[in-house]
Amino acid sequence: QVQLVQSGAEVKKPGASVKVSCKASGYTVTDYGVTWVRQAPGQGLEWMGWISSHNAKTDYAQKFQGRVTMTTDASTNTAHMELRSLKSDDTAVFYCARDYYGSLGDYWGQGTLVTVSA
Amino acid sequence: DIQMTQSPSAMSASIGDSVTITCRASQGISNYLLWFQQKPGKAPERLIYGASTLQSGVPSRFSGSGSGTEFTLTISSLQPEDFATYYCLQYDSYPRTFGQGTKVEIK
Repeated sequence: QVQLVQSGAEVKKPGASVKVSCKASGYTVTDYGVTWVRQAPGQGLEWMGWISSHNAKTDYAQKFQGRVTMTTDASTNTAHMELRSLKSDDTAVFYCARDYYGSLGDYWGQGTLVTVSA
Repeated sequence: DIQMTQSPSAMSASIGDSVTITCRASQGISNYLLWFQQKPGKAPERLIYGASTLQSGVPSRFSGSGSGTEFTLTISSLQPEDFATYYCLQYDSYPRTFGQGTKVEIK
């Protein structure tokens, strides 16, 4: 069956980078897009961006432009999201979700907590 | 960017109540709307896609309606497992945008 399994929790210092992985099983990651969503503690869901299944085209939310890179690796059936220049208010749970031409979220990863603290 | 305004932001209801949550888009999005349920510490789960199509496995007490700029999620008879936070999301254009969420609590 379809599963998305994310990498484990991370603790990073301000200014560092984090790379979160999202390993797909039960389907081929390049047949579907992947959306990434951030959720700060006690806050709502925030769309970060999306990577296409076909040509690795990406679309990022304006607030993350220049700091985020989303990629997929067909050889490992894994999607990755790297966020750079971390700040304390980047502390959040990051989710990946399968995306079929925008109709996203039929399957989600379990979430990865990233804590940014000096 | 398309703004999604959900109301109410929180509500209290009793088991068996019918509950309606509204999501308004700042411009027309046809039927490109999703509804999600999220419980504390868990990933969201999709309830509705295409504004009104029930996700496989989701109980039929959940229903969605609307088109254009106004959408509703209705829970016809609230069950204990339905106490959660609900979010809408538009996928008509980029950037995708979520509503701010509606927390449904036990009265």
